[in-house]
Amino acid sequence: EVQLVQSGAEVKKPGATVKIACKISGNSLSAYFIHWVRQAPGKGLEWMGLVDPADSDTLYGERFQGRLIITADTSKETAYMDLSSLRSEDTAIYYCAAGSVGDYSMGHWGQGTLVTVSS
Amino acid sequence: QSVLTQPPSVSGTPGQRVTISCSGSRFNIGSNFVYWYQQLPGTAPKLLIYLNNQRPSGVPDRFSASTSGTSASLAISGLRSEDEADYYCAAWDDSVSGYVIFGGGTKLTVL
Repeated sequence: EVQLVQSGAEVKKPGATVKIACKISGNSLSAYFIHWVRQAPGKGLEWMGLVDPADSDTLYGERFQGRLIITADTSKETAYMDLSSLRSEDTAIYYCAAGSVGDYSMGHWGQGTLVTVSS
Repeated sequence: QSVLTQPPSVSGTPGQRVTISCSGSRFNIGSNFVYWYQQLPGTAPKLLIYLNNQRPSGVPDRFSASTSGTSASLAISGLRSEDEADYYCAAWDDSVSGYVIFGGGTKLTVL
C-alpha cells in the first residue's frame, strides 16, 4: 500500500519561508508525479505545482511562480515544497499527492500539513 | 473564482440519486481529462474518478461520471449517509502555461 507521510505543522512569520517534506512508502517516488495542493481554512482545493522525481522536472501554478520550489530526493524517497515570502493568506493545509505519470490524477494523498502565518 | 464552476451545495435523501455538475471551457474540460475527488470532513481528498469516467479500485460503482463538451458531471446513486462530503472536479487547463485547476467544490448533504 502506497502511503505519503508529511512533516508536522509549522508556524511562520510573514516574509519567512516554509519547507514541507513528503515521504513515500510502499512504492518508489520515481513512479509518480508528486503534486502539492493547498486548502485555506473553509475554502476549496488549490493546485500549486508538481515535480517528476524521475528527472526533477517541475511545473508551477501561475500564482506561485517565483515563490514556490518543489524538489524530490529519490535517495530519501522524499519530495519537498518550499514556499517563500509567506503572507497571512498562505495560512492553509498543504497536501502532497502522488499521481500517475502521464495524466494528472492524484491517487494517493498525504495527511496534510497545517501552515500558519502570523506575526 | 474558479475556472471550473460547481454548485456550492446539493442535497438528497438516502437511496436517492444526485448529480454534481462541473462547467468549464474548451481550454480544460473541452480538451482534457476530468477528475473527481471526494473530501470527507477533516480528511485529505480521495480520488473518486480519473480519465473522465474511470473508478480506482475500491470506489463503489454507485459513483459514475461523464463529460459532454465543456461540462462534466458526477452521479451518485443509492445515496448513503457516508457520502456526505465535499466533491471537487479537476482538469488540466491549457489557457496559460498549463496547470491543474480545481472546481470550487460542492458540499453534498444527505438529509
